[in-house]
Amino acid sequence: QSALTQPASVSGSPGQSITISCTGTSSDVGSYNLVSWYQQHPGKAPKLMIYEGSKRPSGVSNRFSGSKSGNTASLTISGLQAEDEADYYCCSYAGSSTFPYVFGTGTKVTVL
Amino acid sequence: EVQLVESGGGLVKPGRSLRLSCTASGFTFGDYAMSWFRQAPGKGLEWVGFIRSKAYGGTTEYAASVKGRFTISRDDSKSIAYLQMNSLKTEDTAVYYCTRDGEAADFDYWGQGTLVTVSS
Repeated sequence: QSALTQPASVSGSPGQSITISCTGTSSDVGSYNLVSWYQQHPGKAPKLMIYEGSKRPSGVSNRFSGSKSGNTASLTISGLQAEDEADYYCCSYAGSSTFPYVFGTGTKVTVL
Repeated sequence: EVQLVESGGGLVKPGRSLRLSCTASGFTFGDYAMSWFRQAPGKGLEWVGFIRSKAYGGTTEYAASVKGRFTISRDDSKSIAYLQMNSLKTEDTAVYYCTRDGEAADFDYWGQGTLVTVSS
């Protein structure tokens, strides 16, 4: 099972919108609407930002939104803020009881 | 408030064993599956394995990289999940996180992590 492909880095200025892509296959992202996104600041634990493709947990800013088209999921951060600078990982259900989850390679978001 | 606290990490020689604990609070532990992840220095997240709740048999699944060496168990009476790691290799060096599994193939709460260093 290969990792989901994410761009290594994405950058934007404060107030701008950025989008992080997460490309999988028809066996994972394309088959299930079970993509989640995690934010990780340096030295900290990951935090769930989006689940089930587009849903936000309580307490997560509505500046974060998720979507999917075919085998590619996307995370959009609107109104970029300095605190959004972090690593972001996508994860998809992969349908196998023995290998249920596949993670993305991670994207470093830089706020210019 | 949901809290997960890992413990048991440290420096261990190759071939030795180590057991990590994940102590949970703030929710009904027995109702949830629990997962373990790891993150090697400067690398991305890797799913290690999970244990289902007793309602779903309490069974376990593991990543190929650890299958046969690592074992996940749980003590619902103490709200603790364990990760027994045997035959450790240098490539097992990582920060290990435990998570509570959400209902949609997500991981809604994470512990702060515990560092395991495998080195001679």
